[in-house]
Amino acid sequence: GQQLNQSPQSMFIQEGEDVSMNCTSSSIFNTWLWYKQDPGEGPVLLIALYKAGELTSNGRLTAQFGITRKDSFLNISASIPSDVGIYFCAGRSVTDKLIFGTGTRLQVFP
Amino acid sequence: SAVISQKPSRDICQRGTSLTIQCQVDSQVTMMFWYRQQPGQSLTLIATANQGSEATYESGFVIDKFPISRPNLTFSTLTVSNMSPEDSSIYLCSVNTDRGRGYTFGSGTRLTVV
Repeated sequence: GQQLNQSPQSMFIQEGEDVSMNCTSSSIFNTWLWYKQDPGEGPVLLIALYKAGELTSNGRLTAQFGITRKDSFLNISASIPSDVGIYFCAGRSVTDKLIFGTGTRLQVFP
Repeated sequence: SAVISQKPSRDICQRGTSLTIQCQVDSQVTMMFWYRQQPGQSLTLIATANQGSEATYESGFVIDKFPISRPNLTFSTLTVSNMSPEDSSIYLCSVNTDRGRGYTFGSGTRLTVV
């Protein structure tokens, strides 16, 4: 099935560092979503973006919906050990389906 | 947002058998979605299940292999039929809530086929 291009594939950072990841698509989406998945769990929604150009924050997380509606980024500031996990972007298609990115595996070292 | 209960949480099955996964939502929803997440991979949509109609399958997925039931607005099942080791994956259900602005996921069913 279709997937979004997400980068980087993995990140190994020290606690306190900032993190940035992004997602690009050849298709336009009306909604961009960012999820975090912990081992043995389903994805949990972090941030939802509904308008091109929208910049939204949720605590230490900030995400933006690209002007072209074909990309989005997620920033995490001052990372902590519990930020460890896999982060997925997802675009919502006009048929209400979610298309997921390939994922970014984040590891935080104390 | 909706709360989803998915059962079983995990299972180990013999090849050639079938497993039915249940998804129960605490509110009525129009659309329910079934995803597969192969080991170390992202999520891939299997099908969309609407109450009162046949499920709509994505390319690469067929009803004979993944039959879906949607008897009411709070419940759905996905069956993985005639399993092989390649079917070993996490299977997740998801619902579209908050008037389409949010998607909530169950905790998944981790299936291992031996």
